[in-house]
Amino acid sequence: QQPVQSPQAVILREGEDAVINCSSSKALYSVHWYRQKHGEAPVFLMILLKGGEQKGHEKISASFNEKKQQSSLYLTASQLSYSGTYFCGTALDMNYGGATNKLIFGTGTLLAVQP
Amino acid sequence: DAGITQSPRYKITETGRQVTLMCHQTWSHSYMFWYRQDLGHGLRLIYYSAAADITDKGEVPDGYVVSRSKTENFPLTLESATRSQTSVYFCASSELPSYQETQYFGPGTRLLVL
Repeated sequence: QQPVQSPQAVILREGEDAVINCSSSKALYSVHWYRQKHGEAPVFLMILLKGGEQKGHEKISASFNEKKQQSSLYLTASQLSYSGTYFCGTALDMNYGGATNKLIFGTGTLLAVQP
Repeated sequence: DAGITQSPRYKITETGRQVTLMCHQTWSHSYMFWYRQDLGHGLRLIYYSAAADITDKGEVPDGYVVSRSKTENFPLTLESATRSQTSVYFCASSELPSYQETQYFGPGTRLLVL
């Protein structure tokens, strides 16, 4: 059930773009994105819900393809502060119209932005 | 200060000892969660709680016990610590169910079991 993230790691120069993907084998109700810097707690970036609703930072963009059970996080014009490990967390869609009340996280994508 | 706190921040213990990790939040959030984070595994849910006196198992509950007598507190107990429980433990809380709301994470407790 754990979602698969790709790539596992990426190195960028400042100003370059990156895409981080999250893929599940199960139907999803929502996908959540967090960033974690070394030695710190994960910090919320964005939620993408079934039906198209999104909540999150204005400067972060992401997509959620419900049919493919995939989400992508788009980091444009990267800055040094974007460095960290990015996690997606998935809430499964249940047949009765609800969703699981727990998130299953991927193993993370390490992003390093160099000057 | 308002927020979510964990104590202790660092803990060293020995195999077989009982250890309790504390989590406290000041937002009166209904939902609280315990995760462990290990290299290569990401964040894995241990237990969660939807309200006081309501708890449920996550992905990796074996060897752990939780309680929630008050909304603001959610302690995690390792009944008999093992080396495999060496990890970083994060507590989190949310106002609404996970599938529709962000979770706010505490600073973490780094536990070493010798």
